[in-house]
Amino acid sequence: EAQVTQNPRYLITVTGKKLTVTCSQNMNHEYMSWYRQDPGLGLRQIYYSMNVEVTDKGDVPEGYKVSRKEKRNFPLILESPSPNQTSLYFCASSYRQGYNEQFFGPGTRLTVL
Amino acid sequence: GQQVMQIPQYQHVQEGEDFTTYCNSSTTLSNIQWYKQRPGGHPVFLIQLVKSGEVKKQKRLTFQFGEAKKNSSLHITATQTTDVGTYFCAGPRSGGSNYKLTFGKGTLLTVNP
Repeated sequence: EAQVTQNPRYLITVTGKKLTVTCSQNMNHEYMSWYRQDPGLGLRQIYYSMNVEVTDKGDVPEGYKVSRKEKRNFPLILESPSPNQTSLYFCASSYRQGYNEQFFGPGTRLTVL
Repeated sequence: GQQVMQIPQYQHVQEGEDFTTYCNSSTTLSNIQWYKQRPGGHPVFLIQLVKSGEVKKQKRLTFQFGEAKKNSSLHITATQTTDVGTYFCAGPRSGGSNYKLTFGKGTLLTVNP
């Protein structure tokens, strides 16, 4: 089944404790992206990747890191999480961005205390 | 920067009534995508419009892309309870690659049975 998976689905952590949210897709998509969703603010792009080893900042990259060492995986790293990073995070992928639909993962609900 | 505005923010209808959400961009869009997010779920791609003045239909849903490619609408005829959710439009960032997507804040549709 074609899908985007994220882990963990739920996470409660404390300020400053490094964490990684994994994202994997099995559709051989070139493009992958991370979004955060907050009430009243909609979906905001954090980082995206056009292909392996090619990443770029979205609208709200501060406090986040990403890497794209393999085509299928695009982990989101929070080196020192803070409470303002409490949010619902979505990973998405598409064959090629611009003219293709994005497939979203199920989401990761992160709470930083 | 480019903004994508969606109105209304919320819409409550009686089952059987029609519903329309509007998306307006501050700049010309090369294409526009529409997504639906059910409560507790993840965004799911509905459609992409590319051509000026394009109209596409999916059963009770009608999508339009404005002549100037700066606005779009989604119209649902005779809403059903299964239409409940948040509808987002998204357009690629202007003046550059299509790799960055800007999402509208969405319209939350609730349907009273």
